Amino acid sequence: DIVMTQSPDSLAVSLGERATINCKSSQSILYSSKNKNHLAWYQQKPGQPPKLLIYWASTRESGVPDRFSGSGSGTDFTLTISSLQAGDVAVYYCQQYYSTPYTFGQGTKLEIK
Amino acid sequence: QVQLVQSGAEVKEPGASVKVSCKASGYTFTGYYIHWVRQAPGQGLEWMGWINPNSGGTNYAQKFQGRVTMTRDTSISTAYMELTMLKSDDTAVYFCARSGYCDTTNCYEAFDPWGQGTLVTVSS
Repeated sequence: DIVMTQSPDSLAVSLGERATINCKSSQSILYSSKNKNHLAWYQQKPGQPPKLLIYWASTRESGVPDRFSGSGSGTDFTLTISSLQAGDVAVYYCQQYYSTPYTFGQGTKLEIK
Repeated sequence: QVQLVQSGAEVKEPGASVKVSCKASGYTFTGYYIHWVRQAPGQGLEWMGWINPNSGGTNYAQKFQGRVTMTRDTSISTAYMELTMLKSDDTAVYFCARSGYCDTTNCYEAFDPWGQGTLVTVSS
């Protein structure tokens, strides 16, 4: 199984500041023939299902604010929130959909400092 | 709008079975895959498997092989997940989620949208 490891486990950032969450996969999740990384980022607020933010490692889902961005390739990925808003408080998960079982990171809890 | 609506909370005794439903609306049910993902209380997300509503084909995580069955009823655009031989550590919120095409290993789309979740509590 591909192990997804996120860092840090929790993060406190001031309003308006940048938040950065990292995700590392135990093997490459780059589908080389299509040059696409099978990596998604989700946001989950308490009592709600996960919400897709980013897919193909860097493509923002329709309706997601452009302060959210994804980067990386191969085994190392990053989710960046450029200017933290109060409504961004949540747990963030990365997920690989390259190889079954499709595995998720352990989650990063983002709070306001 | 595209929506997945799940059945209500369940309480089951150890050893029993549970069947959770996921009704799709706002899109062609047979055109997308349905995945099941669970989340134990205060824990992370665990993928259980997918069903292709068009063919009925399934792909289960090895951890759940022999205990999980995913089915669908195309006449009512509903997918089902049945888990048998329940144990206390099966207590979790079970989500369904939609994706595009998957083959036996890769999926070619991330999961969107997700159902609201169904809490299954296993307790004597």
